[in-house]
Amino acid sequence: EVQLVESGGGLVKPGGSLRLSCAASGFTFSSYSMNWVRQAPGKGLEWVSSISSSSSYIYYADSVKGRFTISRDNAKNSLYLQMNSLRAEDTAVYYCAREAGKRAFDYWGQGTLVTVSS
Amino acid sequence: SYVLTQPPSVSVAPGQTARITCGGNNIGSKSVHWYQQKPGQAPVLVVYDDSDRPSGIPERFSGSNSGNTATLTISRVEAGDEADYYCQVWDSSSDHPGVFGTGTKVTVL
Repeated sequence: EVQLVESGGGLVKPGGSLRLSCAASGFTFSSYSMNWVRQAPGKGLEWVSSISSSSSYIYYADSVKGRFTISRDNAKNSLYLQMNSLRAEDTAVYYCAREAGKRAFDYWGQGTLVTVSS
Repeated sequence: SYVLTQPPSVSVAPGQTARITCGGNNIGSKSVHWYQQKPGQAPVLVVYDDSDRPSGIPERFSGSNSGNTATLTISRVEAGDEADYYCQVWDSSSDHPGVFGTGTKVTVL
């Protein structure tokens, strides 16, 4: 069974940093591109970042470029999102999602809440 | 950047058909995916590559895509279909290629 479990969320002050993790199981992690998607309270889904299976291709939304860094460790079946210079508008539930064919996101984690507030 | 526009809400009676549109410039040239999200839950893929269904998704869910509009159709709507629905594409010509639609709240009357 495919499982994606996020962790690392919490309360952080503006300007602070946080590192999210996503532990994957039930599939060959190293064969799939992975993504982070976020959802601010009461708002829609926003794509954040993508990383290819071998980390060769990385993309970011304009809203996080230069502040967030996506990475992965295929040996540990883990995906990460390093978030620096956090702002109030980064407050959201952050989901990791597996990327299937045609760039669809076929499996999602349960999400981890990041709150940026003083 | 590429923009996907959805109606904020759609209301439908049980047993009827709900149609949710997703508008984008020449969206017919892209693969469109649809997600269902119920309150407090993660999104679930219900249609991918315009019209294919993942295993476990009822045949009542179908999709089409042409010109500047993609459509998710839910036939014989049930109370359990009440949720938010999002379309999504990958804009390969962009350096920030992941794009979600604005989302549509489907209410079953």
